[in-house]
Amino acid sequence: EDKVVQSPLSLVVHEGDTVTLNCSYEVTNFRSLLWYKQEKKAPTFLFMLTSSGIEKKSGRLSSILDKKELFSILNITATQTGDSAIYLCAVNTGTASKLTFGTGTRLQVTL
Amino acid sequence: GAVVSQHPSWVICKSGTSVKIECRSLDFQATTMFWYRQFPKQSLMLMATSNEGSKATYEQGVEKDKFLINHASLTLSTLTVTSAHPEDSSFYICSASTSGRADNEQYFGPGTRLTVT
Repeated sequence: EDKVVQSPLSLVVHEGDTVTLNCSYEVTNFRSLLWYKQEKKAPTFLFMLTSSGIEKKSGRLSSILDKKELFSILNITATQTGDSAIYLCAVNTGTASKLTFGTGTRLQVTL
Repeated sequence: GAVVSQHPSWVICKSGTSVKIECRSLDFQATTMFWYRQFPKQSLMLMATSNEGSKATYEQGVEKDKFLINHASLTLSTLTVTSAHPEDSSFYICSASTSGRADNEQYFGPGTRLTVT
């Protein structure tokens, strides 16, 4: 069975801190790994990673994939209260275009 | 662009009744739509994948006779929860894809919160 595990489950930091969120996976037929941010409603897309070692960056957020060790990290620098959300990692296994989601990391950024 | 809407955004129904949730792609044609369920403090679980004009493919453990999915057009898919029970109370989210690939071409709707009393 395909498995995606995220850690930590929850995290509280002060504004300005840097955080690293982890995602490890055990799946058959890996195609890509995706990161989403979920606030009160549906997830919004952050990154899609397909190749090892290539960092994707968007503003204060960045992410990288290690296909040998089967994990990805999402970094957020200079965190702001607006970064408070659940961050979801999902893996596309390519089986009927299925996304398997991790349990998410709940990030709270305080003043 | 790539906006997906869901209706209703929340619904409360009595046990034993049926509820229909609509998922629409507003500015693109969705060849594939996905239905997810999310329980409190849990992640999204894929329920089924639906391609326009064909029967939905359900994930293991999801009852196809209870969760009826119709994808009659390239912009609309519906999920009907039949004979709803309190344990069906959940957040239901749809997503739409233009090419059947569940990666960055998958756009999520805002979700529907179902409460069964």
